[in-house]
Amino acid sequence: QKEVEQDPGPLSVPEGAIVSLNCTYSNSAFQYFMWYRQYSRKGPELLMYTYSSGNKEDGRFTAQVDKSSKYISLFIRDSQPSDSATYLCAMLAGGTSYGKLTFGQGTILTVHP
Amino acid sequence: GAVVSQHPSWVICKSGTSVKIECRSLDFQATTMFWYRQFPKQSLMLMATSNEGSKATYEQGVEKDKFLINHASLTLSTLTVTSAHPEDSSFYICSARSASSYNEQFFGPGTRLTVL
Repeated sequence: QKEVEQDPGPLSVPEGAIVSLNCTYSNSAFQYFMWYRQYSRKGPELLMYTYSSGNKEDGRFTAQVDKSSKYISLFIRDSQPSDSATYLCAMLAGGTSYGKLTFGQGTILTVHP
Repeated sequence: GAVVSQHPSWVICKSGTSVKIECRSLDFQATTMFWYRQFPKQSLMLMATSNEGSKATYEQGVEKDKFLINHASLTLSTLTVTSAHPEDSSFYICSARSASSYNEQFFGPGTRLTVL
């Protein structure tokens, strides 16, 4: 079993839709949770990062963490064609992990006009 | 914001040659740099972690004699793919972290390597 599971999609939605992206994990040591956006042939760009369970909002993006269920989500409101990209969840254990991120497989999102 | 650059952005080489990829943090000092590899439609796989001035720590299954990593300064790390073969063709991405941002890694734009 992979430490982080993410549905690769692809996911196709119309412009203006609410998008829900999810990851589950099995390692209880993960304490920090990130969402990255990666455009084709580019490096990942950090969108959100959270530490505790609950919600964190930044503009059209909301990150949600449920540590009891080992489940994280990213919601995109009023989706735009420019949001079309691959979205990667990533997790970081605390302590002596030296910042080693564990990534999900990535979900390919297409927002069509 | 923190900017990380990579050079070259793409490279094509013949089988058996060595290729060096540079990763630079442009506006901060990177105490730790990470090298990842990404195959098409797959996620990032960590290859190695390097701290400035020390030897890199390689992930299981990554050949350290084939993928040489040097982190000689707080703003530069290099990955050299020695005696490259077609199966080494991939997208190589570095990330950097400063001492003050344990939780945040800033990624470079990636280098696409094609070995003929």
